[in-house]
Amino acid sequence: QLQLQESGPGLVKPSETLSLTCNVSGASISNSVYYWGWIRQPPGKGLEWIGTIYYTGSTYWNPSLKSRASINVDTSKNQFSLKLSSVTAADTAMYYCARHDYHTRVIDYWGQGALVTVSP
Amino acid sequence: QSVLTQPPSVSGAPGQRVTISCIGSKSNLGAGYDVHWYQQLPGTAPKLLIYNNDNRPSGVPDRFSGSKSGTSASLAITGLHVEDEADYYCQSYDTNLSGPMYVFGGGTKLTVL
Repeated sequence: QLQLQESGPGLVKPSETLSLTCNVSGASISNSVYYWGWIRQPPGKGLEWIGTIYYTGSTYWNPSLKSRASINVDTSKNQFSLKLSSVTAADTAMYYCARHDYHTRVIDYWGQGALVTVSP
Repeated sequence: QSVLTQPPSVSGAPGQRVTISCIGSKSNLGAGYDVHWYQQLPGTAPKLLIYNNDNRPSGVPDRFSGSKSGTSASLAITGLHVEDEADYYCQSYDTNLSGPMYVFGGGTKLTVL
């Protein structure tokens, strides 16, 4: 059974860098059929796709976040990570890591989410 | 402003049928990209409900069905249950001048009266 688990600080100060890691268990992150990505949800609001990475390291981004975001993959640890720089209160959200199907682009598995609050 | 447009809310009584629309454009649904639907129960992560327009993952009741035509799609729920009360999101893929990206609807809150 595939499981994704986010981890990282729940509180980040404004202007600093948010860092989250997603540990994948039950499947190999190197499987060529899948992409791996991050999606966030501000409190009381809808879902926003942040970016996605393939096991080879190729990435693609939400244009609105591209200048501040980076995603890396560590196949040896079967995990991938998100960094979002220069955060503001608007970046306060539940952050989900997820698996995307390569062909259909469906997001078929989600982590339980990690709440990150940006506050002094 | 979401790329895919959904009604903010719908409601229905137990046993009734409701539909949720998802309106896109020629760069996403109209370009032939599939639409997928997710159910988000309060306080939980989204869960895949319908994939590739009209397919149900294992374990999803057949009360849930999806369809797509041109630049629009819809989710239908028949025989409403109280436990269907949740937020529902459509999602697709978009290719435009900014590059390829995953896009979501703004979400629809279903209230079971």
